[in-house]
Amino acid sequence: DTEVTQTPKHLVMGMTNKKSLKCEQHMGHRAMYWYKQKAKKPPELMFVYSYEKLSINESVPSRFSPECPNSSLLNLHLHALQPEDSALYLCASSQDQHGGGVRGYTFGSGTRLTVV
Amino acid sequence: AQRVTQPEKLLSVFKGAPVELKCNYSYSGSPELFWYVQYSRQRLQLLLRHISRESIKGFTADLNKGETSFHLKKPFAQEEDSAMYYCALATGANNLFFGTGTRLTVIP
Repeated sequence: DTEVTQTPKHLVMGMTNKKSLKCEQHMGHRAMYWYKQKAKKPPELMFVYSYEKLSINESVPSRFSPECPNSSLLNLHLHALQPEDSALYLCASSQDQHGGGVRGYTFGSGTRLTVV
Repeated sequence: AQRVTQPEKLLSVFKGAPVELKCNYSYSGSPELFWYVQYSRQRLQLLLRHISRESIKGFTADLNKGETSFHLKKPFAQEEDSAMYYCALATGANNLFFGTGTRLTVIP
């Protein structure tokens, strides 16, 4: 398995809802990432997990809460989001070496989130 | 602080013409640079990394530390090359920072 799988592909949620995005990889990668991509913009790093520990939080608001239950799974819990949080949320994984190893970072296809 | 600059948001070339997508970077450490490509309705994919010094789909990119550049080149563009191209810089903390991207359109 050489993919990063994200579910759901699409999500519409109200500002008072609580929802979670899920990401899974079975490549033995030990670093996993959440990126946010607005329309016509590059992906922006949100969180980095390395060996299941949160190593980087790029000043993301607390309404986004990441979780890494094990080395294959990464969740992003969402609560009290704002309409401006609507975006494509990308998960990625990499080997633990600097720069992502020989194959770089592997990206999922994303969850398109709409906050209404 | 690190920065990746892709000066062209849009680039159009005719099929068979050479193409060059520009990327400049700013980073105080030892840079590790990548090109990622996003075809229509597909996920981001790694195209090239500078360490590999390989050619993928006819594309090459050379790291020029003196000019702090990592331009992507292909001698003969094909229609299937039309996509969004992102230059990216990896830092020692496993961060990957993206440039703003260049949308390449190859005109038949």
